[in-house]
Amino acid sequence: EPEVTQTPSHQVTQMGQEVILRCVPISNHLYFYWYRQILGQKVEFLVSFYNNEISEKSEIFDDQFSVERPDGSNFTLKIRSTKLEDSAMYFCASSLLGGEVGEQFFGPGTRLTVL
Amino acid sequence: ELKVEQNPLFLSMQEGKNYTIYCNYSTTSDRLYWYRQDPGKSLESLFVLLSNGAVKQEGRLMASLDTKARLSTLHITAAVHDLSATYFCAVAAATQGGSEKLVFGKGTKLTVNP
Repeated sequence: EPEVTQTPSHQVTQMGQEVILRCVPISNHLYFYWYRQILGQKVEFLVSFYNNEISEKSEIFDDQFSVERPDGSNFTLKIRSTKLEDSAMYFCASSLLGGEVGEQFFGPGTRLTVL
Repeated sequence: ELKVEQNPLFLSMQEGKNYTIYCNYSTTSDRLYWYRQDPGKSLESLFVLLSNGAVKQEGRLMASLDTKARLSTLHITAAVHDLSATYFCAVAAATQGGSEKLVFGKGTKLTVNP
């Protein structure tokens, strides 16, 4: 069964460093998402991406964040200068359709620890 | 702005008992999802509820959606230890780009005791 994959599973970085989190969505899916979950808290939407551009972004997704689909299979989230409060689990999701039946399928997550 | 409220946030129950988790949301939506999350793991899709009055059952779990009341319930029947996990409801909100984003509740941490 097709699934969303994410690498790495755990990333440790120093404050101020750049990190890139990678995702491979399900191959025929068209819509891509990033969510994050701070430890013990709820899952929060960061950004949605369709047709090579951002569809919507949340207040969390400030200028330090960017997304890219560099090669038609990978979908990346870059944090330019990490802060301590960026420590969280980051989930990638993809869906075939956007609207009414666009069920999102989640990857296993990348745990980001900023020291 | 869409808000999603779940209650209770913590639930400790005995094996064999029944209980219901509630999910209220603030603005109109026709799509609601229930997910299960084990500690340190990803989100496992349990139910997708797409219309008013939708009811779905899988094993000891049953979910329903009342879009008029903006309420979904997740009912647990005869709980077993394996159901211990955190359960999230998520409500779909349309985005400008034609996709949807999910707005999650805070989750209900369920512990089933022998």
